[in-house]
Amino acid sequence: DIQMTQSPSSLSASVGDRVTITCRASQGISNYLAWFQQKPGKAPKSLILAASNLQSGVPSRFSGSGSGTDFTLTISSLQPEDFATYYCQQYNTYPLTFGGGTKVEIK
Amino acid sequence: EVQLVESGGGLVKPGGSLRLSCAASGFTFSTYSMNWVRQAPGKGLEWVSSISTSGISAYYADSVRGRFTISRDYAENSLYLQMNSLRAEDTGVYYCARGRTPDVWGQGTTVTVS
Repeated sequence: DIQMTQSPSSLSASVGDRVTITCRASQGISNYLAWFQQKPGKAPKSLILAASNLQSGVPSRFSGSGSGTDFTLTISSLQPEDFATYYCQQYNTYPLTFGGGTKVEIK
Repeated sequence: EVQLVESGGGLVKPGGSLRLSCAASGFTFSTYSMNWVRQAPGKGLEWVSSISTSGISAYYADSVRGRFTISRDYAENSLYLQMNSLRAEDTGVYYCARGRTPDVWGQGTTVTVS
């Protein structure tokens, strides 16, 4: 199985900050990586697929990059509604696997 | 509007069974693989099972293989998860989700094994 490791597991940031979350796969997955945002008590929301393609309606302050084993989610200017937990997920092979999550909290 | 609506969750004793349902609408159900993803209280997301567009191929997490069965009904535009021999560690919110990425999620249904 492919293990997905996210870092950090949590971070504190202020509105307007640039935030970067890293996801590493235990083996190469090309660009078969998705990012999700989840707020408390809500279902996950798809942000990015194919490592860097923004889903329709997702603000342009979100961006994704990477290929192979190392990936990054960047929020260029953190907004109040961005405080949430973020997950990466590989869909290169079954079993599909998620990272452990990164909780973005208000500083 | 593209929508997934889960139902069937509840409280069940260890060793018991439940059948979850997911009603799909607003898209061509037969053209998407479908998934069940769960989340234990206070924990992260865990993929449970997927089924192919044809319904022929099914995939399971090791933690549920042999106990859970995924299926789909094209006439009803519905996805199902038959859960047998339930354990305390199966407790959580179960989400139905569309596609391999997946790009659309239901609101979830809560399963409590106690």
